Amino acid sequence: GAVVSQHPSRVICKSGTSVKIECRSLDFQATTMFWYRQFPKKSLMLMATSNEGSKATYEQGVEKDKFLINHASLTLSTLTVTSAHPEDSSFYICSARDTTRVSYGYTFGSGTRLTVV
Amino acid sequence: GENVGLHLPTLSVQEGDNSIINCAYSNSASDYFIWYKQESGKGPQFIIDIRSNMDKRQGQRVTVLLNKTVKHLSLQIAATQPGDSAVYFCAEAGGTSYGKLTFGQGTILTVHP
Repeated sequence: GAVVSQHPSRVICKSGTSVKIECRSLDFQATTMFWYRQFPKKSLMLMATSNEGSKATYEQGVEKDKFLINHASLTLSTLTVTSAHPEDSSFYICSARDTTRVSYGYTFGSGTRLTVV
Repeated sequence: GENVGLHLPTLSVQEGDNSIINCAYSNSASDYFIWYKQESGKGPQFIIDIRSNMDKRQGQRVTVLLNKTVKHLSLQIAATQPGDSAVYFCAEAGGTSYGKLTFGQGTILTVHP
């Protein structure tokens, strides 16, 4: 089945530094990937849609300069949290679509726990 | 607005009972719905899906019901087991937000032995 690998699973960084999170589709090509953010005991909130070879589409209220998304290949999308602050601490999850599947074919990564100290 | 970012309700059941988890979705144009299970510290895991041209779909121990008239989804888990304890989310896609998967309110299911 479709597998999405997300790395790292946990990261601790200092305020003011930048952190990059990778999302890879291992056995399928994903022209579209999605990035979500999840606070404790809350639902997943869509941050942006990452499109291979073009700019990401951000949801309302998400700062595109704070959360840089790059989707340079059909199997890799990255999310960079720039100049991180403690309020950026959260659980970030990516999802990739396998459009060859009959259903919409969403597969999720295992998430990245970001802690900014 | 979208039905996301809300505090999660809880459901406690005894092992062996049947569980019913409900979800209200917001976009009447959505045509594809999915139930996910999420364990602590992990990404969502696919359980079962249903398209808008159906009102019921069954899987192994799980059944999804769709009521488009009132924009309501439910997930029924038969003979609930302790391993079913997790957070359950419904998600919708299609319509004007084609391709985007929007998560609805989740439910924390706790199964007591």
